[in-house]
Amino acid sequence: NAGVTQTPKFQVLKTGQSMTLQCAQDMNHEYMSWYRQDPGMGLRLIHYSVGAGITDQGEVPNGYNVSRSTTEDFPLRLELAAPSQTSVYFCASSPGQGAAEQYFGPGTRLTVT
Amino acid sequence: KQEVTQIPAALSVPEGENLVLNCSFTDSAIYNLQWFRQDPGKGLTSLLLIQSSQREQTSGRLNASLDKSSGRSTLYIAASQPGDSATYLCAVSGHKFYFGSGTKLNVKP
Repeated sequence: NAGVTQTPKFQVLKTGQSMTLQCAQDMNHEYMSWYRQDPGMGLRLIHYSVGAGITDQGEVPNGYNVSRSTTEDFPLRLELAAPSQTSVYFCASSPGQGAAEQYFGPGTRLTVT
Repeated sequence: KQEVTQIPAALSVPEGENLVLNCSFTDSAIYNLQWFRQDPGKGLTSLLLIQSSQREQTSGRLNASLDKSSGRSTLYIAASQPGDSATYLCAVSGHKFYFGSGTKLNVKP
């Protein structure tokens, strides 16, 4: 199993540009989520999904959109990038919400200038 | 809203020392608590998962305890080694997952 994969590893955007961060898992996990990690603030939940076709907002959803058309993929879209979105983004998956262990991807380092 | 706090924010110890990292949370209605290790520029590696009905979990030199009623967990590292140097994060799972900001550990040779 590849586990949780994320692309790209690094990305530089200009303010106002759009892009999609890709996340895929091959463990048939129902639950997937996106976090951002900023210095001194730990990881904060952006959006999550409990299964294909179902998504919900986390702690810091503004400026981000998600969709979940398949069990395997959970892309994160930034429509109008802002410098405040400079961060490291992690995708995670879990067999279920709540009692199950989370597995993390390697992260995408995004810089918005 | 669940708040997760980790103390200390940073810790530097000589090799061989036993050490304790602390994690506290405000809402005891959790499903589980998970400890992670993060190396610089890398993702998160799961170390231990404690279900809410459990009191502790052990893996090698690591032992994690959970006191749900008081909202506390500790990660005990025995006989620390330079290779243990990393940031350690705890996360609690309720309806959503909430992370602490981590303890950055430096083990000096």
